[in-house]
Amino acid sequence: QVQLVESGGGVVQPGGSLRLSCAASGFTFSSYGMHWVRQAPGKGLEWVAFIRYDGSNKYYADSVKGRFTISRDNSKNTLYLQMNSLRAEDTAVYYCAKVLVEYGLDAFDIWGQGTMVTVSS
Amino acid sequence: VIWMTQSPSLLSASTGDRVTISCRMSQGISSYLAWYQQKPGKAPELLIYAASTLQSGVPSRFSGSGSGTDFTLTISCLQSEDFATYYCQQYYSFPPTFGQGTRLEIK
Repeated sequence: QVQLVESGGGVVQPGGSLRLSCAASGFTFSSYGMHWVRQAPGKGLEWVAFIRYDGSNKYYADSVKGRFTISRDNSKNTLYLQMNSLRAEDTAVYYCAKVLVEYGLDAFDIWGQGTMVTVSS
Repeated sequence: VIWMTQSPSLLSASTGDRVTISCRMSQGISSYLAWYQQKPGKAPELLIYAASTLQSGVPSRFSGSGSGTDFTLTISCLQSEDFATYYCQQYYSFPPTFGQGTRLEIK
């Protein structure tokens, strides 16, 4: 079945780095754009970053631009989020999500279970 | 950035009720709107996309309407499993933005 599984979350000190991974299965990963979305404890959903199906274009929320980098390895069916210069306000559950349609932009039809990132000294 | 105003933030209702959640955009987005349901401790799930298209597997008591700047999610006959938080989202332009969420609780 179609599945996304995140990993790599944990506790990190302010200013530190972390790399999240999102392993995809059950669909042709290389045909779909992918997003990262986060949710701070008790708060709503915040979009973080997007990468096109072939990695040719990337977009970032202003809150993470210059600190986070989204990437993908289509040979490994895996999406990544490299997070540097982490701040307390980056504390959240991070979800990866698949775009509904091939090669385009659309709603997010499949979400991973999420991985928790806590930035604290 | 397209700003979204989702209302109400809290909705109390009973099983069997019909409820409506609204989402208003700061500018027109045609029909590039989705609705998600999220239960505590779980990832969001897509309910409706393109403003009114029901995602596969979603019960027909859920429906969406609207275009341009004003959108509505309607649940026609609440079931116990529908008590959750609902988010609207526009994907017309970057950054894709979510509404603040509506928590639907049992009255």
